[in-house]
Amino acid sequence: EIVLTQSPGTLSLSPGEGATLSCRASQSISNNYLAWYQQKPGQAPRLLIYGASSRATGIPDRFSGSGSGTDFALTISRLEPEDFAVYYCQQYGSSPSTFGQGTRLEIK
Amino acid sequence: QVQLVQSGSELKEPGASVKVSCKASGYTFTTYGVSWVRQAPGQGLEWMGWINTNTGNPTYVQAFRGRFVFSLDTSVSTAYLQINSLKAEDTALYYCARKSLGYNYGDYWGQGTPVTVSS
Repeated sequence: EIVLTQSPGTLSLSPGEGATLSCRASQSISNNYLAWYQQKPGQAPRLLIYGASSRATGIPDRFSGSGSGTDFALTISRLEPEDFAVYYCQQYGSSPSTFGQGTRLEIK
Repeated sequence: QVQLVQSGSELKEPGASVKVSCKASGYTFTTYGVSWVRQAPGQGLEWMGWINTNTGNPTYVQAFRGRFVFSLDTSVSTAYLQINSLKAEDTALYYCARKSLGYNYGDYWGQGTPVTVSS
């Protein structure tokens, strides 16, 4: 199965700053079938990005996804207070689908 | 609007069974599959598999074959996760998610059902 490694484990930033979260796969992800989710404490995950770079319905344009093959990134251009959460990547190009271990984005 | 509403928290003894429900609304239930995802306490997400709501055919990740059963009642737009012979390590939050059309990611999620296994 494909192993996804997210980095950094924790990212400490201030509101207004930009953030880049990385997701690296152990092998190439078919058709760049990679999704990103945001999870806040006590809440279910929320889909942000699918297909590596397509924003889900209702997701602000400060969230963008990029990458291909084995290296992917989620960029948040200007952090809002509500963006501080845990972010997960998921590959769905190969079975079984797998998630990364998550990146915690915390307020500095 | 699309909603997935799961049943409430469960406390079970080791060896017992539990059945978690996931009631969908706001869309045609049989058009989209339902995935199940586990989140152990303080841990990340683990995809368990999914069920085709049109055919009823389940697909399980290897680690979840045997004691875990996905089922449906399409008359009430509800998917179920049953876990048999519960073990302490089954203690987790279980999420259902609507499987995006043709792709294996979850576009809408239930609120999660905590299952605690303890004697």
